[in-house]
Amino acid sequence: GDSVTQMEGPVTLSEEAFLTINCTYTATGYPSLFWYVQYPGEGLQLLLKATKADDKGSNKGFEATYRKETTSFHLEKGSVQVSDSAVYFCALSETGNQFYFGTGTSLTVIP
Amino acid sequence: GAGVSQSPSNKVTEKGKDVELRCDPISGHTALYWYRQSLGQGLEFLIYFQGNSAPDKSGLPSDRFSAERTGGSVSTLTIQRTQQEDSAVYLCASSSTSDRGDETQYFGPGTRLLVL
Repeated sequence: GDSVTQMEGPVTLSEEAFLTINCTYTATGYPSLFWYVQYPGEGLQLLLKATKADDKGSNKGFEATYRKETTSFHLEKGSVQVSDSAVYFCALSETGNQFYFGTGTSLTVIP
Repeated sequence: GAGVSQSPSNKVTEKGKDVELRCDPISGHTALYWYRQSLGQGLEFLIYFQGNSAPDKSGLPSDRFSAERTGGSVSTLTIQRTQQEDSAVYLCASSSTSDRGDETQYFGPGTRLLVL
């Protein structure tokens, strides 16, 4: 069945450091891939998405490229800020019937 | 317009009691999802409603869990004879629909359930 595996946290970085959160997936077809973010005290919200191979999703300085050959959708940001501290979830959906979420990666950025 | 709303925001109950959690999706969204988020865990899919179709109940953990969606809008998740392991944050999300599954889900703030 479909599944998502993302790197375990927590991750602690200094401000302006480079961020990578790994995400790999297993799917039977050609899924759409998503990164959702949950800021402290807030609900989950979409950060970015990519719907086909080689697409790059980007938002708020974050990027992720849909890599079919490696079944990956790693999240990157060149220079993190304190305000990026949150929990990040990788997810996939093939038909829209079910979304499969990873376990989440907690990021703390310290000044 | 308004986002997804859920009520109550917090619920404390005693083991063995029934609870009802409510979700009001974004107007016009045909798809509605329920998830459970336990401490330190990811999101666990519970149930999915799409329009007037039969719901996908494959994620419900036991027959104590049930959900309905009236008139294609508001949904209620019911947990009967609650157990301490039911303690979690219950999240509702809604989306419009596409065959490709690339629609964004919009999440509510969640209901934090504590079973004593």
